[in-house]
Amino acid sequence: QQQVKQSPQSLIVQKGGISIINCAYENTAFDYFPWYQQFPGKGPALLIAIRPDVSEKKEGRFTISFNKSAKQFSLHIMDSQPGDSATYFCAARLVGNKLVFGAGTILRVKS
Amino acid sequence: GAGVSQTPSNKVTEKGKYVELRCDPISGHTALYWYRQSLGQGPEFLIYFQGTGAADDSGLPNDRFFAVRPEGSVSTLKIQRTERGDSAVYLCASSLTLNLGDTQYFGPGTRLTVL
Repeated sequence: QQQVKQSPQSLIVQKGGISIINCAYENTAFDYFPWYQQFPGKGPALLIAIRPDVSEKKEGRFTISFNKSAKQFSLHIMDSQPGDSATYFCAARLVGNKLVFGAGTILRVKS
Repeated sequence: GAGVSQTPSNKVTEKGKYVELRCDPISGHTALYWYRQSLGQGPEFLIYFQGTGAADDSGLPNDRFFAVRPEGSVSTLKIQRTERGDSAVYLCASSLTLNLGDTQYFGPGTRLTVL
């Protein structure tokens, strides 16, 4: 019940295209949903986050869509760039700021 | 300013040995977390500290794993009698507080290889 399921496992997008990564959860105790970006050899870095009482949040080219009733949320990367090529993790927060991560999506943006 | 730092960046040890992994959080951050990331997986929670005390150690896989944060800043993750299955990247993160919305900032990790 504490899992966060993430798909797809990998994604190839053309430069300028839209990258979409999906996550689903079961535990209604999750109260915050961040997305992290990780480059090889680096630690994850926060990209954007959303609270469950909000259906959408946009920051620049990055948008989170959140569907509380379906217990699903997704990351959209508009105008994808080669520099966006990285591994993306969705996560969900439990009390005490403990994060449960999805398995990750390896994104490759072809120039 | 300086981010979260972890030492060593790489550690190779033999099965059965003892290892210590160090984390220096961002100055002023009261909360500190340890995660383990296996190849091709997302980080998996191990333990977190609020100040000097371990507030939640439910993610530690067994009693071979132990972590301390004696002065509320630097933390050390200790692994006794290492096993090959302990090989992973150990990530440390810190946040200003435990409040909702406080960002967890991750270090680059320590890659542990147990031969």
